[in-house]
Amino acid sequence: EVQLEESGGGLVQPGGSLKLSCAVSGFTFSGSAMHWIRQAPGKGLEWVGRIRSEAKNYATAYAASVKDRFTISRDDSKNTTYLQMNSLQSEDTAVYYCTKVATGTTASGFWGQGTLVTVSS
Amino acid sequence: DVVMTQSPDSLAVSLGERATINCKSSQSVLYNSNNKNYLAWYQQKPGQPPKLLIYWASTRESGVPDRFSGSGSATDFTLTISSLQAEDVAVYYCQQYYGTPYSFGQGTKLEIK
Repeated sequence: EVQLEESGGGLVQPGGSLKLSCAVSGFTFSGSAMHWIRQAPGKGLEWVGRIRSEAKNYATAYAASVKDRFTISRDDSKNTTYLQMNSLQSEDTAVYYCTKVATGTTASGFWGQGTLVTVSS
Repeated sequence: DVVMTQSPDSLAVSLGERATINCKSSQSVLYNSNNKNYLAWYQQKPGQPPKLLIYWASTRESGVPDRFSGSGSATDFTLTISSLQAEDVAVYYCQQYYGTPYSFGQGTKLEIK
């Protein structure tokens, strides 16, 4: 069974940093691209970014709203992907989900339960 | 960047009736080399993460009831629920995964009339 579990969320002051983790099991993590998607309270979904597998050179891509502030990485030996968030702003307050693509597509077929990040003084 | 626009923003349909949600992309998400539309539909219920319903615009994910169907190509897409059930109350999102940055529609809230 595919499982994804995010952790590391919490309250952070504007301008601060936070690092989220997503631990996975039930599939070959090293061969899978992983995505981060967020949802501000009461709002819609926003794609944050993704990291590809080693076979695709761990290529990353980001939304314009987070580029140069957020960094996605992965540790295949730990079956974990990370989202390093710097220079956090109030508009980054959201539930952050990590996702894995479904079989036979590159749409997000598997989601974690999410972790809440609150940026506030 | 590709902008996804859904219509309507909210929708109320009677039980057993058809529900139709539209999604329009600002540019084509049809990849000519494989003739696939890089368009997905998700369902999100309160307090839960989204659930993938449809990918490649019209392929149902495993376990999704056949009352859900997707259609369309290039820039115009539709999610249809043929006979609305109470458990279908949710917010529905379309997403293009043709190219980064991937983008979602703003969501359509579906309720029972």
